[in-house]
Amino acid sequence: QVQLVESGGGVVQPGGSLRLSCAASGFTFRSYGIHWVRQAPGKGLEWVAFIRSDGSNEPNAESVKGRFTISRDDYKNTVYLQMNSLRPEDTGVYYCAKDDPVLANWGQGTLVTVSS
Amino acid sequence: DIQMTQSPSTLSASVGDRVTITCRASQSISYWLAWYQQKPGKAPILIYKASSLESGVPSRFSGSGSGTEFTLTISSLQPDDFATYYCQQYNTFPWTFGQGTKVEIK
Repeated sequence: QVQLVESGGGVVQPGGSLRLSCAASGFTFRSYGIHWVRQAPGKGLEWVAFIRSDGSNEPNAESVKGRFTISRDDYKNTVYLQMNSLRPEDTGVYYCAKDDPVLANWGQGTLVTVSS
Repeated sequence: DIQMTQSPSTLSASVGDRVTITCRASQSISYWLAWYQQKPGKAPILIYKASSLESGVPSRFSGSGSGTEFTLTISSLQPDDFATYYCQQYNTFPWTFGQGTKVEIK
């Protein structure tokens, strides 16, 4: 069955960086795009970034443009989200999701806390 | 960006009630709308996309609409259905979500 496992979250100071990973299994990873979606504490869902199966991507959400970069390693069946210049408003749970062609399968999420 | 607006934000209902959630898009998105269910502390689950119920989702859930107005209906609310529901458009990037509708026990 499809499984997505996020990791790499933690506590970071404003201005710092984190790299999230999304490890996939149970499907032909190289054939599918992957999205990142986040959820601030007690708030709704916000789409963040998307990478296609061919490695191309759409522009990120405006709120993270120029700071976050999505990439993939098909040998490791893993998608990454490099997050730089982190702000307190980036705090939340970050989910990765398989594109099929919507957010068909989600991971359990990883918590990112940006605080001094 | 396409704005998605759900109503109501909170819905109080009893087991067995028929409930309807509305989602409006700021411009036409054709049929490219999905619905997700989320329970506290859990990841969202896809329940409906583009006029099609996901496999394994109970038939008491149904969706309708096109263009700018969509609805999600639960024909007879069950205890497992108390959750927050989000609509999401996938017509155009950036994908956008509604603010959510919390279905709570009356």
